[in-house]
Amino acid sequence: GAGVSQTPSNKVTEKGKYVELRCDPISGHTALYWYRQSLGQGPEFLIYFQGTGAADDSGLPNDRFFAVRPEGSVSTLKIQRTERGDSAVYLCASSFVGGPQHFGDGTRLSIL
Amino acid sequence: KQEVTQIPAALSVPEGENLVLNCSFTDSAIYNLQWFRQDPGKGLTSLLLIQSSQREQTSGRLNASLDKSSGRSTLYIAASQPGDSATYLCAVRDAGGAQKLVFGQGTRLTINP
Repeated sequence: GAGVSQTPSNKVTEKGKYVELRCDPISGHTALYWYRQSLGQGPEFLIYFQGTGAADDSGLPNDRFFAVRPEGSVSTLKIQRTERGDSAVYLCASSFVGGPQHFGDGTRLSIL
Repeated sequence: KQEVTQIPAALSVPEGENLVLNCSFTDSAIYNLQWFRQDPGKGLTSLLLIQSSQREQTSGRLNASLDKSSGRSTLYIAASQPGDSATYLCAVRDAGGAQKLVFGQGTRLTINP
């Protein structure tokens, strides 16, 4: 079956712009996660959704970052007033609660 | 705060060798530990998941062990092949209800033909 789908695969934008990154989880997975991976590092947790609600947003670095999952399926990660330090690969994962997390290929975000 | 460390950061071995990748974590109160593989420009592929009550898991040429009390896990790869070249990441999920994974920085493995 289809895996986790993330769009776009690459995004280049200028400092100060607003970006949206989309994640389409595996059908039936109620849990959805966002991580950020810098070059040469392991992924770092950003936020976890159980259904429509953000059950844990402790990893969001500041209030420029926000994520939604209005219908309990697709999620959008939103970054306002982007900074060069936001450049990274943003990974999305989904799972059944307590089950192994399945990852998408990520969105490579570059802030010029 | 849970911290996960993987040593070495990079490893290069000839084809056919057996090898061991190491992962350590600072807080032994974990729910499970997962090993992933990441190819360049790709997401993470789950290889093995070990629950906190388990000692090891096997899949084909891969065997992962867990020693929770000492905060260590190893991933053993038998009869390595060039196709095994990738970055290997370990991640722990803490006990206590948190769902997030805490990752190590990975070991970049190169298998030379």
